[in-house]
Amino acid sequence: GESVGLHLPTLSVQEGDNSIINCAYSNSASDYFIWYKQESGKGPQFIIDIRSNMDKRQGQRVTVLLNKTVKHLSLQIAATQPGDSAVYFCAENAAGGSYIPTFGRGTSLIVHP
Amino acid sequence: EAGVTQFPSHSVIEKGQTVTLRCDPISGHDNLYWYRRVMGKEIKFLLHFVKESKQDESGMPNNRFLAERTGGTYSTLKVQPAELEDSGVYFCASSPQTGRNTIYFGEGSWLTVV
Repeated sequence: GESVGLHLPTLSVQEGDNSIINCAYSNSASDYFIWYKQESGKGPQFIIDIRSNMDKRQGQRVTVLLNKTVKHLSLQIAATQPGDSAVYFCAENAAGGSYIPTFGRGTSLIVHP
Repeated sequence: EAGVTQFPSHSVIEKGQTVTLRCDPISGHDNLYWYRRVMGKEIKFLLHFVKESKQDESGMPNNRFLAERTGGTYSTLKVQPAELEDSGVYFCASSPQTGRNTIYFGEGSWLTVV
């Protein structure tokens, strides 16, 4: 079946650096993508989303890039801070379905002070 | 406004016992979802309620799992009898409408079956 996956399970960065977390998806029918952040002991929290008619969307210190040609999604975090340490999940919603997000395995981001 | 709340936050039970997890969605949210994350793996969809109706329960692992949402408010997820592989964190989420919209997660119920 279709799946959402992540290239790297763990990413370590220094405080102040930019972080890039990648995600590959295989369902060509997906038209809506979401990034969630899960801090230790908490539930996933919405960060940013993007629809398939866009290539890029920016938020506060975060940018999501979508490459539909290669079915790739990335989350860029500028000036990474220790508070950004968490597990990041990408999720996809397929058009024509019930729009229930399908999650990938997650990438653990570790920010070193 | 209160977020999605789940109870209990942590539970340790023996294999063969029964556990019931409860979720209170955000007030006014018709859509309620259950997800599960086993250690180190992806967050997997279990089922989706719209009000009191089960819209999609394709992710329920087997008939040891029973979810209800009587009255379309809070929901319960019962595991009976629990097996070791049921250990993980069970997330509940809610959203105001079906479709491309943000769903809001609770903090999860961490279940350990020993």
